[in-house]
Amino acid sequence: EAGVTQSPTHLIKTRGQQATLRCSPISGHTSVYWYQQALGLGLQFLLWYDEGEERNRGNFPPRFSGRQFPNYSSELNVNALELEDSALYLCASSFSHAKQETQYFGPGTRLLVL
Amino acid sequence: AQTVTQSQPEMSVQEAETVTLSCTYDTSENNYYLFWYKQPPSRQMILVIRQEAYKQQNATENRFSVNFQKAAKSFSLKISDSQLGDTAMYFCAFMKIQGAQKLVFGQGTRLTINP
Repeated sequence: EAGVTQSPTHLIKTRGQQATLRCSPISGHTSVYWYQQALGLGLQFLLWYDEGEERNRGNFPPRFSGRQFPNYSSELNVNALELEDSALYLCASSFSHAKQETQYFGPGTRLLVL
Repeated sequence: AQTVTQSQPEMSVQEAETVTLSCTYDTSENNYYLFWYKQPPSRQMILVIRQEAYKQQNATENRFSVNFQKAAKSFSLKISDSQLGDTAMYFCAFMKIQGAQKLVFGQGTRLTINP
């Protein structure tokens, strides 16, 4: 069974640009979560999508947004990139939130903002 | 708000030894889940073990076991017969049962297994 996949593996942008990160969940999973792992800040919850709806977001500015598609894959968009957005972005998936299932992680996208 | 604290930034042991990683958390919830994830240098986060707070029995997965002390809000991970492949960052995480299904992570413990 294929795990959570993310693309691209690395992304280099300049300040002010927009970045789009993609995530495909494990087959059968309907919930997708995004986390930011920045140096010195640890792992921070960003967004949670379930059944196409945004269910919760962490303490991040509105320029962090995303969506979930009918096939449950997801995109994370970061607008007006700032240097401090440089981080590893991890996507995780689980079965429907109603089951409180374990989250399984993808390999991450390393975003570097110059 | 929930917080998770891992007080050991780094640990190092010899292969085949037993090592225990500490984790404490703070919550007013009565029912929740606790997890240990490992993140090897390849960076893929892998689930090690999960504990439901309503279960008194400590979870075990092969060489990995936990010591869950609910009253003390402590959740340590014991790795027996450590192997070189256990070298990784280990993160303790908390998740509420009701409401937002987000994981709250500790700062991590970098574990090195030496040959």
